[in-house]
Amino acid sequence: KQEVTQIPAALSVPEGENLVLNCSFTDSAIYNLQWFRQDPGKGLTSLLLIQSSQREQTSGRLNASLDKSSGRSTLYIAASQPGDSATYLCAVKVGSYIPTFGRGTSLIVHP
Amino acid sequence: GAGVSQSPRYKVAKRGQDVALRCDPISGHVSLFWYQQALGQGPEFLTYFQNEAQLDKSGLPSDRFFAERPEGSVSTLKIQRTQQEDSAVYLCASSPGPNYEQYFGPGTRLTVT
Repeated sequence: KQEVTQIPAALSVPEGENLVLNCSFTDSAIYNLQWFRQDPGKGLTSLLLIQSSQREQTSGRLNASLDKSSGRSTLYIAASQPGDSATYLCAVKVGSYIPTFGRGTSLIVHP
Repeated sequence: GAGVSQSPRYKVAKRGQDVALRCDPISGHVSLFWYQQALGQGPEFLTYFQNEAQLDKSGLPSDRFFAERPEGSVSTLKIQRTQQEDSAVYLCASSPGPNYEQYFGPGTRLTVT
């Protein structure tokens, strides 16, 4: 069974810092990996989707990398802002439509 | 166009009551998913529909949970005889197909007292 672990569980940083959030998974035969953002009391918003054949995806200040062989993905957030405060979740699909989610990293960016 | 909507946004039920949670997917999306998210956890898969067909219900935790999508659009998740352990946020997501990007609704927060 696929297990997804996210480290750290929580992070508090001052505005302007560059951040790295980590996601590790146990089954490397993945179909794709997706990073989501979840604001309190809200649903999930997709940030980046990386297919198994890709190594990274970029959107604005966000960059996600994928290393299947080591079972890891990182989400890099450049020049963090208070509006980036949220919980960040990664989800891994292994050959099916059912994603396995990590528990998330709760991020607070203070002014 | 409009995103995925869910209603009610909040539901408080006394233990033993039945509840019904509604999901309105994005128009034209074939695939619809239900997830359960406990506090501090990631979402856990409950069930999957392709049009009106329920193709996978392997994540439903007990036979008290029932989901339907009779016309291939709106879906309802019903929980009978609610228990305290059913307290969670129930998320619905839709997508153009099973392996396309999923779009999530805001969720329904169920509290069983």
